[in-house]
Amino acid sequence: SQTIHQWPATLVQPVGSPLSLECTVEGTSNPNLYWYRQAAGRGLQLLFYSVGIGQISSEVPQNLSASRPQDRQFILSSKKLLLSDSGFYLCAWSVTGGAKTQYFGPGTRLLVL
Amino acid sequence: AQSVTQPDIHITVSEGASLELRCNYSYGATPYLFWYVQSPGQGLQLLLKYFSGDTLVQGIKGFEAEFKRSQSSFNLRKPSVHWSDAAEYFCAVAPNAGKSTFGDGTTLTVKP
Repeated sequence: SQTIHQWPATLVQPVGSPLSLECTVEGTSNPNLYWYRQAAGRGLQLLFYSVGIGQISSEVPQNLSASRPQDRQFILSSKKLLLSDSGFYLCAWSVTGGAKTQYFGPGTRLLVL
Repeated sequence: AQSVTQPDIHITVSEGASLELRCNYSYGATPYLFWYVQSPGQGLQLLLKYFSGDTLVQGIKGFEAEFKRSQSSFNLRKPSVHWSDAAEYFCAVAPNAGKSTFGDGTTLTVKP
């Protein structure tokens, strides 16, 4: 069966520090991968979308970047965190092609102070 | 581009009462429709989905949803709510080939 992992689960970082959040998927090949941010009391905002290694689509301009160095690994990064980067970050995957169900990881709670 | 509206930000129901969460979408053709549930501090879990066929779809945990093309709606229902159903619920819509768009969510509180 397929599983999706995210780490760390919780992170507290000072403003201006770098960020690296990791997401890995097991049990499937060539998945579509997604990064979402969920601010307190708000819905899901799609940040990045990837259909393959090295292929990243950015949905909104921001202080963050994403990379996909391996088929089942998706990394969210920042060189310098802002207060507004605080939130709950969710990684998800779906099978390739067409509109398919997304399967979400457990999320990472990021607090920037 | 498609869009999703969940008109109710917060709903409170008594345990054992029936539940209906509303979802309206905007899309030029018949979309793929989903309901997800999120417990506090956790990721989202799929409750049910509609791709085609029978417009009344059954999901996990006793939930069902009905696709009404004429009303552009995909409302989620449960006949008898349990305290463990307290969570946030998200409706999502996707075109035939593309990314899903999520609504802003409805928070469900269950009174004992």
